[in-house]
Amino acid sequence: KQEVTQIPAALSVPEGENLVLNCSFTDSAIYNLQWFRQDPGKGLTSLLLIQSSQREQTSGRLNASLDKSSGRSTLYIAASQPGDSATYLCAVSSNDYKLSFGAGTTVTVRA
Amino acid sequence: NAGVTQTPKFQVLKTGQSMTLQCAQDMNHNSMYWYRQDPGMGLRLIYYSASEGTTDKGEVPNGYNVSRLNKREFSLRLESAAPSQTSVYFCASSDIGTVNNEQFFGPGTRLTVL
Repeated sequence: KQEVTQIPAALSVPEGENLVLNCSFTDSAIYNLQWFRQDPGKGLTSLLLIQSSQREQTSGRLNASLDKSSGRSTLYIAASQPGDSATYLCAVSSNDYKLSFGAGTTVTVRA
Repeated sequence: NAGVTQTPKFQVLKTGQSMTLQCAQDMNHNSMYWYRQDPGMGLRLIYYSASEGTTDKGEVPNGYNVSRLNKREFSLRLESAAPSQTSVYFCASSDIGTVNNEQFFGPGTRLTVL
């Protein structure tokens, strides 16, 4: 069974600092990995999807890397803003396409 | 496009009552999913439907039933609600067979069972 872990559970940084969010998974036989953002009381918004054959994906200030052999992914958010405050979820897709989620990292960016 | 829609947004039930959560997608996706999210835990898969006419159990199926009504709609039924089913329920859809197979989520249904 795939286990996905996100550490730390919560993170508080001053505005302008770069954010580094970690995700680890136990089974390297993955199809893809997705990073989501969730605002309080809201649904999930997909941020980035990395295919198992890729090493990284970038979108604006966001960059996600994937090291399948070591079972790790990292989401980098450059020059954080108060609007980046949210919970960030990592999810790994197994070869039958079902997603296994981490518990998330709750980020607070202080103005 | 509305994407993935869910009804209702909020619901309060008494123990033993039944209800159906509705989900619809307008992206012509072939696969649909039901997840639950509990505090401090990641989303857990309840049931999924890889294609119209098929349904399969996920990680936590006990106490739930599903129906894939057509390609657009996938409902989740609680036959006899229990306090342990208090949770936020999310529906998602994806297009298995595409390069990405990215899952898109609805806004959620917040269910409280008293």
